[in-house]
Amino acid sequence: EAQVTQNPRYLITVTGKKLTVTCSQNMNHEYMSWYRQDPGLGLRQIYYSMNVEVTDKGDVPEGYKVSRKEKRNFPLILESPSPNQTSLYFCASSYDMTSGGYEQFFGPGTRLTVL
Amino acid sequence: LAKTTQPISMDSYEGQEVNITCSHNNIATNDYITWYQQFPSQGPRFIIQGYKTKVTNEVASLFIPADRKSSTLSLPRVSLSDTAVYYCLVGRMDTGRRALTFGSGTRLQVQP
Repeated sequence: EAQVTQNPRYLITVTGKKLTVTCSQNMNHEYMSWYRQDPGLGLRQIYYSMNVEVTDKGDVPEGYKVSRKEKRNFPLILESPSPNQTSLYFCASSYDMTSGGYEQFFGPGTRLTVL
Repeated sequence: LAKTTQPISMDSYEGQEVNITCSHNNIATNDYITWYQQFPSQGPRFIIQGYKTKVTNEVASLFIPADRKSSTLSLPRVSLSDTAVYYCLVGRMDTGRRALTFGSGTRLQVQP
């Protein structure tokens, strides 16, 4: 089944404790992206990746890191989480943008709480 | 990045046609317009995409005027299951930066 998976689905942590949220897709997509969703603010893009080893900042990259060492995986890293990073996080993937189409496939979400 | 503006919420009844408009005054030449649907606690789901004029699929229609500064998502004969948040998204297709910006979303409530 074609899908985007995220782990963990739920995470409660404390300020300053490094964490990684994994994202994997099995559709051979070139483009991958991370979003956070907060009440009243909609979806905001954190980072995106056009392909392996190619990443760039979205609208709200502060406090986050990403890496794209393999085409299928795009982990989101919070080196020193803070309470303002408490949010619902979505990973998404898409075919190469140059071939047309912005149909992104979203993962199920990771609800993160930073105490 | 092109900023988008949508109504915060809309109400409708089953069987009616619903039109949701998105404003994107700063849309660039190479930007496409895409709409997504999101149910609570789920990731957004692609509905339709267009560049200009009209696009129709089995789910919805998308109307884009000549100046492309706005777009309208049309949902024919909505049902209770269409209750969701609808997002308008504008993004580039050229070789430059390909960050994507979602609008704030429109919460559609369909009543029986």
